[in-house]
Amino acid sequence: GQQLNQSPQSMFIQEGEDVSMNCTSSSIFNTWLWYKQDPGEGPVLLIALYKAGELTSNGRLTAQFGITRKDSFLNISASIPSDVGIYFCAGQLLPTGSYQLTFGKGTKLSVIP
Amino acid sequence: ETGVTQSPTHLIKTRGQQVTLRCSSQSGHNTVSWYQQALGQGPQFIFQYYREEENGRGNFPPRFSGLQFPNYSSELNVNALELDDSALYLCASSPGGQGKIWEQFFGPGTRLTVL
Repeated sequence: GQQLNQSPQSMFIQEGEDVSMNCTSSSIFNTWLWYKQDPGEGPVLLIALYKAGELTSNGRLTAQFGITRKDSFLNISASIPSDVGIYFCAGQLLPTGSYQLTFGKGTKLSVIP
Repeated sequence: ETGVTQSPTHLIKTRGQQVTLRCSSQSGHNTVSWYQQALGQGPQFIFQYYREEENGRGNFPPRFSGLQFPNYSSELNVNALELDDSALYLCASSPGGQGKIWEQFFGPGTRLTVL
């Protein structure tokens, strides 16, 4: 199945540093969502984006929906140890009526105390 | 408010067997989607149910089938299990038809191992 191109694949950062990751696609999306998944658990929704150009924050997290509708980025400021996990972007393709989500392969984040 | 729950948490089957996985949607949600997540990959869409009807299907063979019940809980059935079916199976529910229908909330998943 089709997947989004998510980068970087993994990253190691020092506690307190800012983090940036992004997602690109050759297809247009009408919705982007960012999820975090811890080992052995289901993905947890972090941020949802609905409009091209939209910039949304959730605490230390900020995400933007690209103007072309083909990309999105997620920033985490002042990282802390509990930010460790795998971050997935997911989008809903146009046109579709089933609201199915297409996921990237994830960015694995490790935070060094 | 109870979140999405799934059962069982872990399951071991042998090739050729059949399996049924269960999901209870979050209160107030009438749409349930199922995803398969192989190790090291993102979730892949299997199908979605809205008000007891299938509402979209991904690239999975017919031996993957499902049901949604009047209380919006759902089952995923897989027949003739193959080794490649080993994965984490995730259920996600969403409000559907009102509010922000695209926000899907995931359960903890069922880890299926096929030997």
